[in-house]
Amino acid sequence: ETGVTQSPTHLIKTRGQQVTLRCSSQSGHNTVSWYQQALGQGPQFIFQYYREEENGRGNFPPRFSGLQFPNYSSELNVNALELDDSALYLCASSLLGQGKETQYFGPGTRLLVL
Amino acid sequence: KQEVTQIPAALSVPEGENLVLNCSFTDSAIYNLQWFRQDPGKGLTSLLLIQSSQREQTSGRLNASLDKSSGRSTLYIAASQPGDSATYLCAVGGATNKLIFGTGTLLAVQP
Repeated sequence: ETGVTQSPTHLIKTRGQQVTLRCSSQSGHNTVSWYQQALGQGPQFIFQYYREEENGRGNFPPRFSGLQFPNYSSELNVNALELDDSALYLCASSLLGQGKETQYFGPGTRLLVL
Repeated sequence: KQEVTQIPAALSVPEGENLVLNCSFTDSAIYNLQWFRQDPGKGLTSLLLIQSSQREQTSGRLNASLDKSSGRSTLYIAASQPGDSATYLCAVGGATNKLIFGTGTLLAVQP
């Protein structure tokens, strides 16, 4: 148990819809990162939030957006869903700047776009 | 652009064997390297983190080494058990701790 939780666990959407995924960070962590993992692949970095500001972004289009709240929980929003967005979405929390960069992952949200 | 490769893609061993999983990366300017375990359909469990200034880390039956100059890391698992069966992922971390992952090694330990 990492203390990182995600909701929902599974989700089915249709092409063109919008989705919001949620993540609750481990207590005391100030950074949350989101990753997309397609079947049979390693996770790919979407973006990171540090103290409520975006702190780096991977090669994902603007329809992928996020928020980090004062309690360090986070949301990933995806607009205009495409079939290729079907994947496991993972969030990870860490304590940046304290020499303890280990990232702790949640169980993921599996998104299926039909 | 950093690329991470893991070899082999899949490995099957009998219970009790010692084994080595390999990870290579193209850019040696990393801050750390982390090994994870992933069970089917689940999230990632952190196994070991090696800072760029370190050469190895140990936890129980696991030992991870890092050679930045050659762009390589190995994960050594001693006395493998069926419960070790999972996908093992290595990831390199940069300045902002953005992780770049390999595609993983699927390990099956046969009883």
